[in-house]
Amino acid sequence: EPEVTQTPSHQVTQMGQEVILRCVPISNHLYFYWYRQILGQKVEFLVSFYNNEISEKSEIFDDQFSVERPDGSNFTLKIRSTKLEDSAMYFCASLRGADYGYTFGSGTRLTVV
Amino acid sequence: LAKTTQPISMDSYEGQEVNITCSHNNIATNDYITWYQQFPSQGPRFIIQGYKTKVTNEVASLFIPADRKSSTLSLPRVSLSDTAVYYCLVGPPINNNDMRFGAGTRLTVKP
Repeated sequence: EPEVTQTPSHQVTQMGQEVILRCVPISNHLYFYWYRQILGQKVEFLVSFYNNEISEKSEIFDDQFSVERPDGSNFTLKIRSTKLEDSAMYFCASLRGADYGYTFGSGTRLTVV
Repeated sequence: LAKTTQPISMDSYEGQEVNITCSHNNIATNDYITWYQQFPSQGPRFIIQGYKTKVTNEVASLFIPADRKSSTLSLPRVSLSDTAVYYCLVGPPINNNDMRFGAGTRLTVKP
């Protein structure tokens, strides 16, 4: 079964540092998403991406966040200057189209110290 | 996006059928209902999706009444490994739609 792959699985960074979280969506999917989940809390939508541009973003996705699809396979989330409250699991998801449901990756656990 | 309401938690025993109901009173005409399962430290996993009546796959069944203001996820003969959080999401299956997760239902299956 095709998978969404995320790397790294765990990243520790110092406050103020930039981090890039990487995702390889399923190859024939067209729509890409980033979600995050703070420990013990619900899954929160960050941003959706289609046709090489952001289609929607939440209030969480401020100027410190950016997304890119630099080539035909990778989809990245960059946090420019991390804060302690950015510590969370970050999930990438992709969608083939209507009626199929999202496929999520296994996540990157980001710890900001 | 339609707001959903689910029980916070449910307990069950191995071998029982579990039914988790989700209320979505303001569901729109073009909204679908999708259920996800999440284990600790893992990403949500798609279980089933439906629009009306009944949908069944190898994992679960989804029952949707005619008014579509609620839906019920049915898990037949649960096992300990079905212990997880289950999310009901409602939204249009358009190309760039985002799904907003609620708090979900924490199902605990006991031996």
